[in-house]
Amino acid sequence: AQTVTQSQPEMSVQEAETVTLSCTYDTSESDYYLFWYKQPPSRQMILVIRQEAYKQQNATENRFSVNFQKAAKSFSLKISDSQLGDAAMYFCAYSNGGSQGNLIFGKGTKLSVKP
Amino acid sequence: DTGVSQDPRHKITKRGQNVTFRCDPISEHNRLYWYRQTLGQGPEFLTYFQNEAQLEKSRLLSDRFSAERPKGSFSTLEIQRTEQGDSAMYLCASSFWAPTDYEQYFGPGTRLTVT
Repeated sequence: AQTVTQSQPEMSVQEAETVTLSCTYDTSESDYYLFWYKQPPSRQMILVIRQEAYKQQNATENRFSVNFQKAAKSFSLKISDSQLGDAAMYFCAYSNGGSQGNLIFGKGTKLSVKP
Repeated sequence: DTGVSQDPRHKITKRGQNVTFRCDPISEHNRLYWYRQTLGQGPEFLTYFQNEAQLEKSRLLSDRFSAERPKGSFSTLEIQRTEQGDSAMYLCASSFWAPTDYEQYFGPGTRLTVT
C-alpha cells in the first residue's frame, strides 16, 4: 500500500523568507502523481502544486516550487518570499496513475508566518 | 462556477441517530470523492463515483455508511447508527477525470459531532 509521510508537524517562517516543507512517500508504482494542498483555517483545501512522476523537471507555480527526488521518494515544497496569507496546514498527497484517482494524504504540516 | 458545495456545514447528533450529508460538485465534473478528516490528520479516502457508478469503497467505509450519486449529479453520504468515533470533518471533492486532467476541487466540508 502507498504511504505518505510528513515529518514536520509544525514549521515557522519569517515574512519574506523562504521555507521548505518535507514529504516522503512509498510506492511500488512507476506511474503516479504528487500534490501539495493548502488548507487555511476554517477554509477549504486548495491545490498548490502538482508533479507528474514521469516528468524530470520540478514543478513551479509562482512562489511555490518542488524538489522531486524520485529515487529517494522525496517531494518537498519550497515557499519563497513567504506572505502572511501562506499560513495554513499543508498536506502532501499521492495518487496512482491510471484510472483510480483517489488521494492519499500525509498528516500535514502547520505553517506559521511571522510578520 | 460556484465550486463544490456541501450541506450542512455543521451537524451535531446524538449517538445512534442517522445523519445524511449532501455534496454538489462542480457541474461538469464526472468524478466525485468523499474523504474523512479527523483532528490532526490528513483526509482519508472513503469512496468515489464516476458519474453515477460507485467505483471504489475504502475499508474505512463500514456497513453503517452508504453513499449515492443518483443521475451522476449531487451525492449523499449517510451514516446510520452514528458512533462517537464518527465525529470528523467529511470532505467532498470533484474532478473532471481525464488522463491529463485530474485536479480535485474540494468543498468546505461538513463537520459532524456525535454526542
